[in-house]
Amino acid sequence: DTGVSQNPRHKITKRGQNVTFRCDPISEHNRLYWYRQTLGQGPEFLTYFQNEAQLEKSRLLSDRFSAERPKGSFSTLEIQRTEQGDSAMYLCASSSTGVATGELFFGEGSRLTVL
Amino acid sequence: QKEVEQNSGPLSVPEGAIASLNCTYSDRGSQSFFWYRQYSGKSPELIMSIYSNGDKEDGRFTAQLNKASQYVSLLIRDSQPSDSATYLCAASSPMRFGAGTRLTVKP
Repeated sequence: DTGVSQNPRHKITKRGQNVTFRCDPISEHNRLYWYRQTLGQGPEFLTYFQNEAQLEKSRLLSDRFSAERPKGSFSTLEIQRTEQGDSAMYLCASSSTGVATGELFFGEGSRLTVL
Repeated sequence: QKEVEQNSGPLSVPEGAIASLNCTYSDRGSQSFFWYRQYSGKSPELIMSIYSNGDKEDGRFTAQLNKASQYVSLLIRDSQPSDSATYLCAASSPMRFGAGTRLTVKP
């Protein structure tokens, strides 16, 4: 078990460019979550999937953000027309809906810097 | 109003003391509650989960839940310098986190 894997680990981009992050969850986990975290704050919920279905998306999330999990395995998070306020750590986590529900296993994150 | 609120701290305690961390939540429908620890530059890791009113103990950690008051707490006994980290309270589901409380344990 290699844990939750995120790529790229760091991304520096210019304002207005599009970026995409990838998350590979723990293989037997059917739920996958995306969070955003800025310095001094807790992880902010963005969206989550159960298998390939996107079950919830934060009301605060701009429509520049889109996430997919096409085959219920890996997921991508795309940010279009990036803004400086998008600079943050983007965390992916996975969990199962088995007995020990609720525990999230986090990846190491993808740090985005928008210049 | 944020869904999960924590006393933002920072909190500093001497080694061997009890550290007390508190959290309130707004969604009465939340059924599961968690405490995560996050070291600087690292991702959050689970310390405790609690689902029923009352206390739950695990080693030096005790989580307390009061659903009527919508209140969750974490006590760390015999605090060690290695406990210095940010502690995140979370409520499910899906999991929402508080802003975290930064704890420093001084030798």
